Amino acid sequence: DVVMTQTPPSLSVAIGQSVSISCKSSQSLVYSDGKTYLHWLLQSPGRSPKRLIYQVSNLGSGVPDRFSGTGSQKDFTLKISRVEAEDLGVYYCAQTTHFPRTFGGGTKLELK
Amino acid sequence: EVQLQESGPGLVKPSQSLSLTCSVTGYSITSNYWGWIRKFPGNKMEWMGYISYSGSTSYNPSLKSRISITRDTSKNQFFLQLNSVTTEDTATYYCARPQFDYWGQGVMVTVSS
Repeated sequence: DVVMTQTPPSLSVAIGQSVSISCKSSQSLVYSDGKTYLHWLLQSPGRSPKRLIYQVSNLGSGVPDRFSGTGSQKDFTLKISRVEAEDLGVYYCAQTTHFPRTFGGGTKLELK
Repeated sequence: EVQLQESGPGLVKPSQSLSLTCSVTGYSITSNYWGWIRKFPGNKMEWMGYISYSGSTSYNPSLKSRISITRDTSKNQFFLQLNSVTTEDTATYYCARPQFDYWGQGVMVTVSS
């Protein structure tokens, strides 16, 4: 299975601060069609996960442009500019290039 | 708008089968793929498997001998069955599109005698 390693496991931030979360995969996530199926999800407290970013850098529906995704091959980053209270929760990276699909261990974003 | 909703028992005894239903509205399950994902206590997430628009399935090999995903197209529902459960199957179970763009609200299932 492709192992997805997220760092840090937790982050304590102030409102308005910018933060980055890293996700590294044990194999390249480039599929045979040339696309990279690396996604970012946010699970806010008491809610279902929500897709923020798909295929590395594409913003999900209704997601503010304070969120951005970059990376390639095996190394990916989610950046949140100007954190707001509604951004708190657990962030996951996930890959759908390989079977079985796998998730990172999560990064918990908390208020400082 | 696409909506998914899980239903099923919240408590299952060890060695029994876990059975959940996902009801889909706003989109036909004969289009696209539909799957199950679970989140264990703590943060660990596990992809369990999916059923395609044609009814073919793909499962996580870690579950392959215990899992079955089926569907009823007349009711626009798909189902999860997980056999021989243990306490390690205690989790919140989500139905979702495999692209992660639509999720159900989740159902917490506890395996306990």
